[in-house]
Amino acid sequence: GESVGLHLPTLSVQEGDNSIINCAYSNSASDYFIWYKQESGKGPQFIIDIRSNMDKRQGQRVTVLLNKTVKHLSLQIAATQPGDSAVYFCAEKNQAGTALIFGKGTTLSVSS
Amino acid sequence: DTGVSQDPRHKITKRGQNVTFRCDPISEHNRLYWYRQTLGQGPEFLTYFQNEAQLEKSRLLSDRFSAERPKGSFSTLEIQRTEQGDSAMYLCASSLDVLYSRAFFGQGTRLTVV
Repeated sequence: GESVGLHLPTLSVQEGDNSIINCAYSNSASDYFIWYKQESGKGPQFIIDIRSNMDKRQGQRVTVLLNKTVKHLSLQIAATQPGDSAVYFCAEKNQAGTALIFGKGTTLSVSS
Repeated sequence: DTGVSQDPRHKITKRGQNVTFRCDPISEHNRLYWYRQTLGQGPEFLTYFQNEAQLEKSRLLSDRFSAERPKGSFSTLEIQRTEQGDSAMYLCASSLDVLYSRAFFGQGTRLTVV
């Protein structure tokens, strides 16, 4: 069935370190993935997306890597800042292509 | 503010009451989605509109839930005879009507049923 999941529920890093948040997905036919950041009491905020015809995509301080062979997605955040502290979700399009399927999320905690 | 807007932000209601939430999508977005999020979980898809047509409904959307999008602009989500299990964050998102379209979320409506 369709599902996405994250390897670790929590990740703690020091300010300035690079963070890597991982996600495994199960639908080999998935062709579009999105990473969202959600702060407490707020809606998910779009970070970066990637299509299945790409292996890597870079944004501002963030990079998403897609490994279709092992159905694995990762989000790398460079020079992590306290403001990056939030829950991060990966999401994939459902089989109908009409909605997003979310994993449970990884809570990133950044200490100064 | 040109983002997705949801109202109210918080709603406390007694069990058995009806509640209605409103979502105003980004103006040029044809697609509108409703999701539900419980504590510690990712958002779960409820329903999807393309313009005014409701094209998909999740199994999560029981008969007590109804959503509308008259004129293809704002949308409402109504829950009738609320139950304590309905307590959750209700999120609205919108996107363009293209194949790979980023969905942008509102701030959500936090529902508490007491």
